[in-house]
Amino acid sequence: NAGVTQTPKFRVLKTGQSMTLLCAQDMNHEYMYWYRQDPGMGLRLIHYSVGEGTTAKGEVPDGYNVSRLKKQNFLLGLESAAPSQTSVYFCASSYGSAAQYYGYTFGSGTRLTVV
Amino acid sequence: GNSVTQMEGPVTLSEEAFLTINCTYTATGYPSLFWYVQYPGEGLQLLLKATKADDKGSNKGFEATYRKETTSFHLEKGSVQVSDSAVYFCALRSFGNEKLTFGTGTRLTIIP
Repeated sequence: NAGVTQTPKFRVLKTGQSMTLLCAQDMNHEYMYWYRQDPGMGLRLIHYSVGEGTTAKGEVPDGYNVSRLKKQNFLLGLESAAPSQTSVYFCASSYGSAAQYYGYTFGSGTRLTVV
Repeated sequence: GNSVTQMEGPVTLSEEAFLTINCTYTATGYPSLFWYVQYPGEGLQLLLKATKADDKGSNKGFEATYRKETTSFHLEKGSVQVSDSAVYFCALRSFGNEKLTFGTGTRLTIIP
Protein backbone atom coordinates (compact mmCIF):
# COMPACT_ATOMS: atom_id res chain seq x y z
CA ASN A 1 0.00 0.00 0.00
CA ALA A 2 2.31 2.76 -1.19
CA GLY A 3 -0.42 5.37 -1.76
CA VAL A 4 1.23 8.69 -2.64
CA THR A 5 5.03 8.80 -2.60
CA GLN A 6 7.02 12.02 -2.72
CA THR A 7 10.72 12.32 -3.45
CA PRO A 8 12.94 13.75 -2.10
CA LYS A 9 11.88 14.19 1.52
CA PHE A 10 14.34 17.00 2.23
CA ARG A 11 16.36 19.32 0.03
CA VAL A 12 18.45 22.45 0.43
CA LEU A 13 18.90 24.64 -2.65
CA LYS A 14 20.87 27.74 -3.32
CA THR A 15 19.06 30.74 -4.76
CA GLY A 16 18.80 30.40 -8.53
CA GLN A 17 19.18 26.62 -8.63
CA SER A 18 16.54 24.43 -10.19
CA MET A 19 14.99 21.19 -9.03
CA THR A 20 12.10 18.83 -9.64
CA LEU A 21 9.88 17.26 -7.00
CA LEU A 22 8.36 13.93 -7.95
CA CYS A 23 4.98 12.64 -6.86
CA ALA A 24 3.87 9.10 -7.68
CA GLN A 25 0.55 7.42 -6.85
CA ASP A 26 -0.47 3.83 -7.32
CA MET A 27 -4.24 4.16 -6.76
CA ASN A 28 -5.19 4.94 -10.37
CA HIS A 29 -6.44 8.35 -9.29
CA GLU A 30 -7.45 10.80 -12.00
CA TYR A 31 -6.68 14.03 -10.16
CA MET A 32 -3.39 15.14 -8.66
CA TYR A 33 -2.42 18.30 -6.78
CA TRP A 34 0.58 20.18 -5.45
CA TYR A 35 0.23 22.27 -2.28
CA ARG A 36 2.62 24.28 -0.21
CA GLN A 37 2.28 24.64 3.53
CA ASP A 38 3.61 27.67 5.35
CA PRO A 39 3.22 28.63 9.02
CA GLY A 40 -0.06 30.43 9.68
CA MET A 41 -1.23 30.06 6.08
CA GLY A 42 -2.55 26.54 5.92
CA LEU A 43 -2.31 24.80 2.56
CA ARG A 44 -2.23 26.72 -0.67
CA LEU A 45 -2.78 25.07 -4.04
CA ILE A 46 0.05 25.58 -6.52
CA HIS A 47 -1.04 23.54 -9.55
CA TYR A 48 -3.28 20.60 -10.20
CA SER A 49 -4.12 18.10 -12.90
CA VAL A 50 -7.42 16.43 -13.76
CA GLY A 51 -5.88 13.81 -16.00
CA GLU A 52 -2.83 12.66 -17.91
CA GLY A 53 -1.49 15.44 -20.11
CA THR A 54 -3.49 18.19 -18.39
CA THR A 55 -2.45 20.81 -15.85
CA ALA A 56 -4.04 23.92 -14.37
CA LYS A 57 -2.99 26.79 -12.10
CA GLY A 58 -3.99 27.01 -8.48
CA GLU A 59 -3.79 29.92 -6.05
CA VAL A 60 -0.01 30.42 -6.05
CA PRO A 61 1.45 29.16 -9.36
CA ASP A 62 4.14 31.77 -9.96
CA GLY A 63 7.68 30.39 -10.00
CA TYR A 64 6.53 26.80 -10.47
CA ASN A 65 5.84 24.54 -13.44
CA VAL A 66 4.27 21.09 -13.55
CA SER A 67 3.91 18.16 -15.88
CA ARG A 68 1.70 15.07 -15.92
CA LEU A 69 3.07 12.90 -18.70
CA LYS A 70 1.90 9.69 -17.03
CA LYS A 71 -1.27 9.21 -15.03
CA GLN A 72 0.60 8.03 -11.96
CA ASN A 73 3.19 10.81 -11.83
CA PHE A 74 2.94 14.55 -11.21
CA LEU A 75 6.14 16.61 -11.29
CA LEU A 76 6.66 20.03 -9.74
CA GLY A 77 9.56 22.10 -11.06
CA LEU A 78 11.29 25.16 -9.70
CA GLU A 79 13.30 26.74 -12.50
CA SER A 80 15.11 29.36 -10.42
CA ALA A 81 14.60 28.86 -6.70
CA ALA A 82 14.01 31.85 -4.42
CA PRO A 83 14.06 32.04 -0.59
CA SER A 84 10.29 32.72 -0.70
CA GLN A 85 9.86 29.16 -1.98
CA THR A 86 11.18 27.73 1.29
CA SER A 87 8.23 25.62 2.40
CA VAL A 88 6.87 22.14 2.89
CA TYR A 89 5.39 20.78 -0.32
CA PHE A 90 2.61 18.21 -0.35
CA CYS A 91 1.31 16.20 -3.23
CA ALA A 92 -2.19 14.74 -3.14
CA SER A 93 -4.36 12.64 -5.41
CA SER A 94 -8.04 11.79 -5.68
CA TYR A 95 -10.62 10.07 -7.80
CA GLY A 96 -12.48 12.31 -10.20
CA SER A 97 -15.98 13.26 -9.19
CA ALA A 98 -15.88 10.59 -6.50
CA ALA A 99 -13.46 12.78 -4.56
CA GLN A 100 -16.64 14.53 -3.47
CA TYR A 101 -17.10 11.51 -1.26
CA TYR A 102 -13.60 10.20 -0.64
CA GLY A 103 -11.41 13.27 -0.26
CA TYR A 104 -7.73 13.30 -1.05
CA THR A 105 -4.78 11.02 -0.27
CA PHE A 106 -1.66 13.00 0.68
CA GLY A 107 2.02 12.23 0.46
CA SER A 108 4.30 12.74 3.45
CA GLY A 109 5.78 15.97 2.13
CA THR A 110 9.05 17.47 0.90
CA ARG A 111 10.77 20.01 3.10
CA LEU A 112 12.58 22.48 0.85
CA THR A 113 14.92 25.19 2.07
CA VAL A 114 16.28 27.82 -0.31
CA VAL A 115 19.31 29.72 0.99
CA GLY B 1 -16.37 31.27 -3.96
CA ASN B 2 -15.77 28.62 -1.35
CA SER B 3 -14.11 29.39 1.96
CA VAL B 4 -13.52 27.70 5.31
CA THR B 5 -12.98 29.46 8.63
CA GLN B 6 -11.53 27.57 11.59
CA MET B 7 -10.97 28.67 15.13
CA GLU B 8 -7.49 29.93 15.56
CA GLY B 9 -5.08 28.01 17.68
CA PRO B 10 -3.05 26.92 19.28
CA VAL B 11 -5.36 24.98 21.57
CA THR B 12 -3.90 23.36 24.68
CA LEU B 13 -5.95 20.92 26.77
CA SER B 14 -5.33 18.48 29.56
CA GLU B 15 -5.71 14.77 28.92
CA GLU B 16 -9.34 13.57 29.15
CA ALA B 17 -10.73 17.06 28.50
CA PHE B 18 -13.57 17.69 26.05
CA LEU B 19 -12.51 19.07 22.68
CA THR B 20 -14.34 21.34 20.25
CA ILE B 21 -12.71 22.88 17.19
CA ASN B 22 -15.05 25.19 15.36
CA CYS B 23 -15.38 25.23 11.58
CA THR B 24 -17.77 27.28 9.46
CA TYR B 25 -17.94 27.53 5.72
CA THR B 26 -19.35 29.36 2.73
CA ALA B 27 -19.89 27.43 -0.47
CA THR B 28 -21.83 27.28 -3.67
CA GLY B 29 -24.18 24.34 -3.92
CA TYR B 30 -24.08 21.51 -1.42
CA PRO B 31 -20.52 20.70 -0.47
CA SER B 32 -19.01 17.65 1.14
CA LEU B 33 -17.15 18.45 4.36
CA PHE B 34 -13.97 16.91 5.72
CA TRP B 35 -11.66 16.97 8.70
CA TYR B 36 -8.01 16.13 8.10
CA VAL B 37 -5.35 15.56 10.74
CA GLN B 38 -1.61 16.16 10.41
CA TYR B 39 0.66 14.53 12.97
CA PRO B 40 4.15 16.00 13.46
CA GLY B 41 6.39 15.42 10.46
CA GLU B 42 3.69 13.72 8.41
CA GLY B 43 1.24 14.47 5.63
CA LEU B 44 -2.47 15.04 6.07
CA GLN B 45 -4.75 12.08 6.75
CA LEU B 46 -8.49 12.03 6.31
CA LEU B 47 -10.07 11.86 9.76
CA LEU B 48 -13.78 11.95 8.93
CA LYS B 49 -16.24 13.27 6.41
CA ALA B 50 -19.90 14.09 5.80
CA THR B 51 -21.48 14.41 2.39
CA LYS B 52 -24.95 15.81 3.11
CA ALA B 53 -26.83 17.87 5.67
CA ASP B 54 -27.32 16.26 9.10
CA ASP B 55 -24.77 13.53 8.35
CA LYS B 56 -22.44 12.76 11.24
CA GLY B 57 -18.88 11.73 10.43
CA SER B 58 -16.97 9.81 13.09
CA ASN B 59 -13.60 8.14 13.53
CA LYS B 60 -11.19 7.43 16.42
CA GLY B 61 -13.62 8.96 18.92
CA PHE B 62 -13.93 12.21 16.94
CA GLU B 63 -17.28 13.37 15.59
CA ALA B 64 -18.57 16.21 13.43
CA THR B 65 -22.12 16.93 12.24
CA TYR B 66 -22.89 18.69 8.95
CA ARG B 67 -25.16 21.61 9.95
CA LYS B 68 -26.54 23.27 6.84
CA GLU B 69 -28.60 25.81 8.75
CA THR B 70 -25.54 27.19 10.55
CA THR B 71 -23.02 26.27 7.80
CA SER B 72 -20.86 24.55 10.37
CA PHE B 73 -18.92 21.31 10.83
CA HIS B 74 -17.44 21.49 14.32
CA LEU B 75 -15.04 18.75 15.42
CA GLU B 76 -15.62 17.21 18.86
CA LYS B 77 -14.11 14.52 21.05
CA GLY B 78 -15.29 13.61 24.51
CA SER B 79 -11.95 12.70 26.07
CA VAL B 80 -8.70 13.64 24.37
CA GLN B 81 -5.41 11.80 24.68
CA VAL B 82 -1.81 12.93 24.35
CA SER B 83 -1.68 11.05 21.03
CA ASP B 84 -4.34 13.43 19.63
CA SER B 85 -1.79 16.25 19.57
CA ALA B 86 -1.68 17.33 15.92
CA VAL B 87 -2.86 20.01 13.50
CA TYR B 88 -6.49 19.68 12.38
CA PHE B 89 -7.79 21.03 9.07
CA CYS B 90 -11.39 21.54 8.06
CA ALA B 91 -12.06 21.36 4.32
CA LEU B 92 -14.88 21.36 1.81
CA ARG B 93 -15.45 20.37 -1.76
CA SER B 94 -18.37 21.35 -3.95
CA PHE B 95 -19.71 18.94 -6.53
CA GLY B 96 -18.13 19.59 -9.91
CA ASN B 97 -15.21 21.52 -8.37
CA GLU B 98 -11.88 19.76 -8.72
CA LYS B 99 -10.35 21.34 -5.63
CA LEU B 100 -10.62 21.01 -1.87
CA THR B 101 -10.75 24.30 0.03
CA PHE B 102 -8.91 24.13 3.36
CA GLY B 103 -9.08 26.16 6.52
CA THR B 104 -5.82 27.43 7.98
CA GLY B 105 -5.54 24.61 10.51
CA THR B 106 -5.75 24.44 14.30
CA ARG B 107 -2.80 23.16 16.30
CA LEU B 108 -3.90 21.03 19.25
CA THR B 109 -1.59 20.10 22.12
CA ILE B 110 -2.69 17.71 24.84
CA ILE B 111 -0.72 17.73 28.09
CA PRO B 112 -0.67 14.75 30.47
